[in-house]
Amino acid sequence: DAKTTQPNSMESNEEEPVHLPCNHSTISGTDYIHWYRQLPSQGPEYVIHGLTSNVNNRMASLAIAEDRKSSTLILHRATLRDAAVYYCILRDTYTGTASKLTFGTGTRLQVTL
Amino acid sequence: KAGVTQTPRYLIKTRGQQVTLSCSPISGHRSVSWYQQTPGQGLQFLFEYFSETQRNKGNFPGRFSGRQFSNSRSEMNVSTLELGDSALYLCASSRRTDFASTGELFFGEGSRLTVL
Repeated sequence: DAKTTQPNSMESNEEEPVHLPCNHSTISGTDYIHWYRQLPSQGPEYVIHGLTSNVNNRMASLAIAEDRKSSTLILHRATLRDAAVYYCILRDTYTGTASKLTFGTGTRLQVTL
Repeated sequence: KAGVTQTPRYLIKTRGQQVTLSCSPISGHRSVSWYQQTPGQGLQFLFEYFSETQRNKGNFPGRFSGRQFSNSRSEMNVSTLELGDSALYLCASSRRTDFASTGELFFGEGSRLTVL
């Protein structure tokens, strides 16, 4: 499986934007970029995904580099409830192994007042 | 819409025993996958079931097994428990066709197993 690289931890102040980077230099043409987050004592939660174009939803935005070798998850206004471990995952949706997500170590986001 | 339900939430077993964990997926979801989460290894894929058939399997010993019923509910079983099996076991469901998955995985809150 193609691997992703993320910083171990990041800090942000509440109400400020947060940019969480992810490198995936070995991404293949059919890999989608997915982001999940895991709040304390909960299972992972889907955040957003994309293939080539930037994506927006109510939770976040995903900016994908033109060569697709990196991406950035953007939380526009971090709140204390956004404190979680964020996982960047490559997922080949169409090969039958789509439910086999390969989680890395993720980025632990701390949000302070 | 009810989420993914896992039972039991917590359980304690001793080495050598076996355990069965249950997962009820979101209504209409036909794919159920299982993950193990430990502090040392993080989240690791165990297996996926779709239409009562195992479609994918992770790198775990044969002591770890599972099954899926016709109503898409799934169980996983770990036999001859070892101390290292202490972990949070997470179940996830998703919509899936025979060829692809669409959309995200929805995870339950997990079953925390402690092996003494």
